[in-house]
Amino acid sequence: ETGVTQSPTHLIKTRGQQVTLRCSSQSGHNTVSWYQQALGQGPQFIFQYYREEENGRGNFPPRFSGLQFPNYSSELNVNALELDDSALYLCASSLAVASTDTQYFGPGTRLTVL
Amino acid sequence: LAKTTQPISMDSYEGQEVNITCSHNNIATNDYITWYQQFPSQGPRFIIQGYKTKVTNEVASLFIPADRKSSTLSLPRVSLSDTAVYYCLVGDIGQTGANNLFFGTGTRLTVIP
Repeated sequence: ETGVTQSPTHLIKTRGQQVTLRCSSQSGHNTVSWYQQALGQGPQFIFQYYREEENGRGNFPPRFSGLQFPNYSSELNVNALELDDSALYLCASSLAVASTDTQYFGPGTRLTVL
Repeated sequence: LAKTTQPISMDSYEGQEVNITCSHNNIATNDYITWYQQFPSQGPRFIIQGYKTKVTNEVASLFIPADRKSSTLSLPRVSLSDTAVYYCLVGDIGQTGANNLFFGTGTRLTVIP
């Protein structure tokens, strides 16, 4: 167990709707990263938050947004859902932002967009 | 960012040693090499990380030659529970200061009884 939890486990939405996914990091971890993993592919970096500020973003449109809270929890929000947003969404927490800071992943939220 | 190349899949019998090699010809001086393991419907799990020569922990060894253009993950005496996808990642903090991970498609290891 990594100590990182995510909710919900599964979610079904329809195209155009909005969704909020939640993550609880390991206590003391100041960094949370979110990844999208399509079926058969490796995880793709969405963005990272460090001490409640966005600290880097991958190639995802602005309708993907996030928040990080002081209690080591965070959210991923996706607006105007598209069919291609169907994927496993993973959050990962780490102590800080050094390349040697191991990222600990949660079990993911499986999002299906119909 | 250094691109990595791994075999798409590998099969191995239980009890054998498995070596998965990753190529990263454009690795930069500050880059570390990290391997993750992922089971179906779970998040990736950190296995091992190294910079040069050899690193060993309780689950695996990582061999990195002097030129660092490749690395080999070695799993001793695999069992059925080692069936998973293994990802090789190379990266430093990057220009944005974020320690984001860039995953390829990984190597799907199947352990056969």
